[in-house]
Amino acid sequence: DVKVTQSSRYLVKRTGEKVFLECVQDMDHENMFWYRQDPGLGLRLIYFSYDVKMKEKGDIPEGYSVSREKKERFSLILESASTNQTSMYLCASSLGGRMNTEAFFGQGTRLTVV
Amino acid sequence: GENVEQHPSTLSVQEGDSAVIKCTYSDSASNYFPWYKQELGKRPQLIIDIRSNVGEKKDQRIAVTLNKTAKHFSLHITETQPEDSAVYFCAASWAYKYIFGTGTRLKVLA
Repeated sequence: DVKVTQSSRYLVKRTGEKVFLECVQDMDHENMFWYRQDPGLGLRLIYFSYDVKMKEKGDIPEGYSVSREKKERFSLILESASTNQTSMYLCASSLGGRMNTEAFFGQGTRLTVV
Repeated sequence: GENVEQHPSTLSVQEGDSAVIKCTYSDSASNYFPWYKQELGKRPQLIIDIRSNVGEKKDQRIAVTLNKTAKHFSLHITETQPEDSAVYFCAASWAYKYIFGTGTRLKVLA
C-alpha cells in the first residue's frame, strides 16, 4: 500500500522559530512536493524535487527552504516562522519521469504560528 | 506564471442530479490532468485522470472531458449521492510540476 507520511499532524510554533516539517514516502518515487492549503486558495506549490539533492521553487517559495538528502525524505524548513505561515501543509510524491502520474498525499500538518 | 482556474467555488445539487466542475489551464505543455477528491479532514485522493492524447474518460458515475484547443477540462458526476459531498480539485501537470485549481466544494442535498 502506498504511503506518504508526515511527521506531525499538528504543530504550534512561536514567531521567529525555525520549523522543520518532515515527509517520508516508501514507494521509491522520484518526485516529491510541498503544498500549502488555505481556504479559497486551493493547493499552492511551495517547492518540489525530482531527484535527491535537486529542488525547484514553486509558486510561493518565499520564507521557505527544502532539503532532500535521501530519496525517500523531503523536508520543508521555515527559516523564521511568521503568523502568515499558519496553514495546512501537504506533502505529496509521484513516480517521476516526464510523463507525470498520480500524486499521493500525506495526511497533512496543520501549523499554527503564534 | 502558470495557473489553473476552477469554477464554481461552491456547488449544491439535489441527490440524483448531475454536477459539473470546469477548469482552464494556461500552459499548453500540460499533458496530464488529474482530479482529486478531499473529504473533510482527509488527504486529497485521485478519483480520475486523463492524458492529453485522450478527449474523454469515464469510470462509472464519473467522467472527465478535455478540450486541448480551448485548454479546458471538466469533471462530470452523474446520479450524485450524499457521499459525493467533498472538495474537488483539478490539476494540470507537465514535467515535474502539479498545478492545482482552487477547489470546488460540492454539497449533495438529500
